[in-house]
Amino acid sequence: DAKTTQPPSMDCAEGRAANLPCNHSTISGNEYVYWYRQIHSQGPQYIIHGLKNNETNEMASLIITEDRKSSTLILPHATLRDTAVYYCIVRGYSGNTGKLIFGQGTTLQVKP
Amino acid sequence: DGGITQSPKYLFRKEGQNVTLSCEQNLNHDAMYWYRQDPGQGLRLIYYSQIVNDFQKGDIAEGYSVSREKKESFPLTVTSAQKNPTAFYLCASSSQTGALGYTFGSGTRLTVV
Repeated sequence: DAKTTQPPSMDCAEGRAANLPCNHSTISGNEYVYWYRQIHSQGPQYIIHGLKNNETNEMASLIITEDRKSSTLILPHATLRDTAVYYCIVRGYSGNTGKLIFGQGTTLQVKP
Repeated sequence: DGGITQSPKYLFRKEGQNVTLSCEQNLNHDAMYWYRQDPGQGLRLIYYSQIVNDFQKGDIAEGYSVSREKKESFPLTVTSAQKNPTAFYLCASSSQTGALGYTFGSGTRLTVV
């Protein structure tokens, strides 16, 4: 599975959009981009995933560049409850071995 | 609502005692997983199971054991052979391919004194 690079921390004002970047320059053609978040002392929560098209659900939007080497998770109207560590993961659909390499993620602090 | 339940949330045990952590899901997921998370670190895979009565070791299986007698349940036993058992333990489940992401439980924080 491809390695990902994320900034260690970001701040966002409550009510504003939070844009969290992720670089995955070694991604291969059959690998998807997944985003999870982990609020302190809780289990990680799946947010969204995509292959090459932009995706949107009730939680967030995922924008993947045309060359697929980077992506951005967008929380359109951040709230204090969105304060968490956000993880970008790249993995393929085949050979599910349970390995989710979370890395260090981005700590998003939403401020009032 | 469907989900995955871990119990208890906090667990204290004396050194040398075995302890079993519970994980139950009602999502009809085929695959289940156990992870360990230490402070400031990512998740490390202990065991996973893709089907009832079958499971595989993950990266740090030594000192742990599991069973998968029912699709809904995947208990983890931390044995006395685990040298550093104090940690945050997370259970997860998914479809067999994991294509739609993993659903995690809320975790069990085990402290061995």
